[in-house]
Amino acid sequence: DIQMTQSPLSLSASVGDSVTITCRPSQTINNYLNWYQQKPGRAPNLLVYAASFLQTGVPSRFSGSGSGTDFTLTISSLQPEDFATYFCQQSFDAPYTFGQGTKLEIK
Amino acid sequence: QVTLTESGPALVRPTQTLTLTCSFSGFSLSTTGVRVDWIRQPPGKALEWLGRIDWEDDKFYSPYLKTRLTISKDTSKNQVVLRMTNVGPLDTATYYCSRIRRFGESDYWGQGTLVTVSS
Repeated sequence: DIQMTQSPLSLSASVGDSVTITCRPSQTINNYLNWYQQKPGRAPNLLVYAASFLQTGVPSRFSGSGSGTDFTLTISSLQPEDFATYFCQQSFDAPYTFGQGTKLEIK
Repeated sequence: QVTLTESGPALVRPTQTLTLTCSFSGFSLSTTGVRVDWIRQPPGKALEWLGRIDWEDDKFYSPYLKTRLTISKDTSKNQVVLRMTNVGPLDTATYYCSRIRRFGESDYWGQGTLVTVSS
């Protein structure tokens, strides 16, 4: 299995800040890396696919980058609705594993 | 418009078999390239990928659950069924189905169904 290591697991920031979440797979996954946002009691919502492609309708303050074994999700100018939990997932090889999640909280 | 909806029992007794149905609209599992995943999330924990079925009826399972899982489809009804045998308390989770797109990303999700395993 490909293990997905996210960091940090929790993050405290203020509205207007910029934050970066990292995801490191245990082996190379080319660019088969997806990011999801999840709010309490809701299903995950796709933000970024194939490492850097923004899903339709997702605000441009979200961006993804990386390849191989090092990926990042950056949220610039945090808005109140961005405080949520973020998961990465590799879609390179089954089982299609997820990271542990990063909980972004308001400072 | 793509929608997915999970349905099934909210409470299952230990050792029983859990059967969940994912009913979808807006796409067809007979179309080349279409896939549906099952994913679960124990309360307060991370997402766990369970398995996948594709348009050719190929199935892929988590190696940790492979002996207990069966995924099937009914193309005429636009449904995918997850069957999990011999459930235990650790199977308590919200179960989601999702549609899979070209790079393997889940672009549409059901709302999820919470299943509690308890005697």
